[in-house]
Amino acid sequence: NAGVTQTPKFRILKIGQSMTLQCTQDMNHNYMYWYRQDPGMGLKLIYYSVGAGITDKGEVPNGYNVSRSTTEDFPLRLELAAPSQTSVYFCASSYGKGGPLPTVRGDTQYFGPGTRLTVL
Amino acid sequence: SQKIEQNSEALNIQEGKTATLTCNYTNYSPAYLQWYRQDPGRGPVFLLLIRENEKEKRKERLKVTFDTTLKQSLFHITASQPADSATYLCALGPSGGYQKVTFGTGTKLQVIP
Repeated sequence: NAGVTQTPKFRILKIGQSMTLQCTQDMNHNYMYWYRQDPGMGLKLIYYSVGAGITDKGEVPNGYNVSRSTTEDFPLRLELAAPSQTSVYFCASSYGKGGPLPTVRGDTQYFGPGTRLTVL
Repeated sequence: SQKIEQNSEALNIQEGKTATLTCNYTNYSPAYLQWYRQDPGRGPVFLLLIRENEKEKRKERLKVTFDTTLKQSLFHITASQPADSATYLCALGPSGGYQKVTFGTGTKLQVIP
């Protein structure tokens, strides 16, 4: 298993440009997430998905869009990039609901290696 | 609003000693709490999960406690090694099986040989 893979690893964008960050997982996980991590700050949830065709906003969704057409892929789209979107982006996945109580298997999030994005 | 606090200052500890990291939270009643390890330039890696009805959980040299009255979790690494140097994140999960956890900012641990 490759786990969670993200591309690209690094990217520099100019203000106003658009791009898509790719995320793929091969663990057949139901849930997928996008986070951003800024220096000295915790992981902030951007968007998440509980299954193919279902997405929802997290804590900081403005300026981003997502889609989930398959179980494996969860791309993050940046439209009209701004300097405030300079950050490290992590994609994660988890198995999902195993029942009414949290389980180690269900709630453990597996993270990708991250994409370092700079907007100039 | 929910708030999770981890010591933002780095923790320096001598090799062989026990490292203790703290995670405090307010305005939150989590069903469970997780600890992750993050190395520079990498994504977090899951270490341990402890539920609200559990007081303590162990895994090899790791021990986690969860005090819902104090609203605090302690993460211990016994016989610490330089390889344990990393940033450790706590994450709180809500009840109801809904899996949207909230992460703390992390504490950087440096184990000195």
